[in-house]
Amino acid sequence: RKEVEQDPGPFNVPEGATVAFNCTYSNSASQSFFWYRQDCRKEPKLLMSVYSSGNEDGRFTAQLNRASQYISLLIRDSKLSDSATYLCVVNWEGNFNKFYFGSGTKLNVKP
Amino acid sequence: GAGVSQSPRYKVTKRGQDVALRCDPISGHVSLYWYRQALGQGPEFLTYFNYEAQQDKSGLPNDRFSAERPEGSISTLTIQRTEQRDSAMYRCASSLYSGEYNEQFFGPGTRLTVL
Repeated sequence: RKEVEQDPGPFNVPEGATVAFNCTYSNSASQSFFWYRQDCRKEPKLLMSVYSSGNEDGRFTAQLNRASQYISLLIRDSKLSDSATYLCVVNWEGNFNKFYFGSGTKLNVKP
Repeated sequence: GAGVSQSPRYKVTKRGQDVALRCDPISGHVSLYWYRQALGQGPEFLTYFNYEAQQDKSGLPNDRFSAERPEGSISTLTIQRTEQRDSAMYRCASSLYSGEYNEQFFGPGTRLTVL
């Protein structure tokens, strides 16, 4: 079983739509959580960290559910520029410099 | 400012040859990471440095892979006796510090093809 699992998609949505992705992790001792964005043939870039209380950054909201071991990313009012692959990332208690990446969820926002 | 740079950007080599991949992190960044990314997959952790010390090399696939960061800045990932299965994108990342929520900045990667 992979440490981090994501639905690969693609999620095809029209501009302005709201879309949500989930990511599940296997280790209950996971400590820190992130969403990275990766554009085609580019390097991953941090989108947002996910804190226990959840956090919001403009149109993006991230939530953590430790009991069910998943994190979510909600994108409101999708823009064409949101089209990318979204990578879920976790690290574990006691070794927070070893990061586990999911395979990513591909989002296509259509006009 | 300058981001993380990697060289070469593309490397084609024959099976059995050794290759050295270079990473130049953001100036002042303490932590440096190496990852391997296959097509359609997320980055896979290989190894991590804090300054010049290799803190974790548990992700290196076998003893043909090694990495160093002798002066706490530039790092080299070396693959000896390359095999076709080593073909992948190799990515380097750096972060300002070593901590729970440290942001990693990735380089453009080196695409390695082993013929």
